[in-house]
Amino acid sequence: ELKVEQNPLFLSMQEGKNYTIYCNYSTTSDRLYWYRQDPGKSLESLFVLLSNGAVKQEGRLMASLDTKARLSTLHITAAVHDLSATYFCAVEFGKLVFGKGTKLTVNP
Amino acid sequence: ETGVTQTPRHLVMGMTNKKSLKCEQHLGHNAMYWYKQSAKKPLELMFVYSLEERVENNSVPSRFSPECPNSSHLFLHLHTLQPEDSALYLCASSPKGRNSYNEQFFGPGTRLTVL
Repeated sequence: ELKVEQNPLFLSMQEGKNYTIYCNYSTTSDRLYWYRQDPGKSLESLFVLLSNGAVKQEGRLMASLDTKARLSTLHITAAVHDLSATYFCAVEFGKLVFGKGTKLTVNP
Repeated sequence: ETGVTQTPRHLVMGMTNKKSLKCEQHLGHNAMYWYKQSAKKPLELMFVYSLEERVENNSVPSRFSPECPNSSHLFLHLHTLQPEDSALYLCASSPKGRNSYNEQFFGPGTRLTVL
């Protein structure tokens, strides 16, 4: 069975702190996507990771992919309130299989 | 703006009503998707159309009926829905078609409430 597991599912952090969201998946794939969803809004594409060792960075967010470990991480550096949202990873197994999402709240 | 639009944005319907959701993409993509997003559940893929042909139907009840008249438009026809069908319905599109699904771009969604 194809499984994509994110943890934590809920994350409350203070501004200025660093944290990492993890995405594990059950079957070999070398394509992984990270999306952001604000409340009541749609999903916005953040990163596309297409090979083992891929690393992408945009502002305070950095995503990486280890296909051997079947693991992707989304690292948040010096969090700010604007990063508060739900973050989804999705793994491509012919179709996209999404994790349950990590709801991030950044407190002042 | 992702280039994928959905109408209506909000819909309230009774269990005996018939309604349709519409999705349009302006990105020149070849594949389109319907997803259901319920509270506390992962995003669920419902249907995939590739080059206007339905290539995936994830055991969705027949009260949901998709239609893809061309590569830019996708509909979801609804009839005799149940309260548990209340959810956010998201449309997405991606550049490639058959056998390869890459980065998907999502519309704003239709918030559906079934009374």
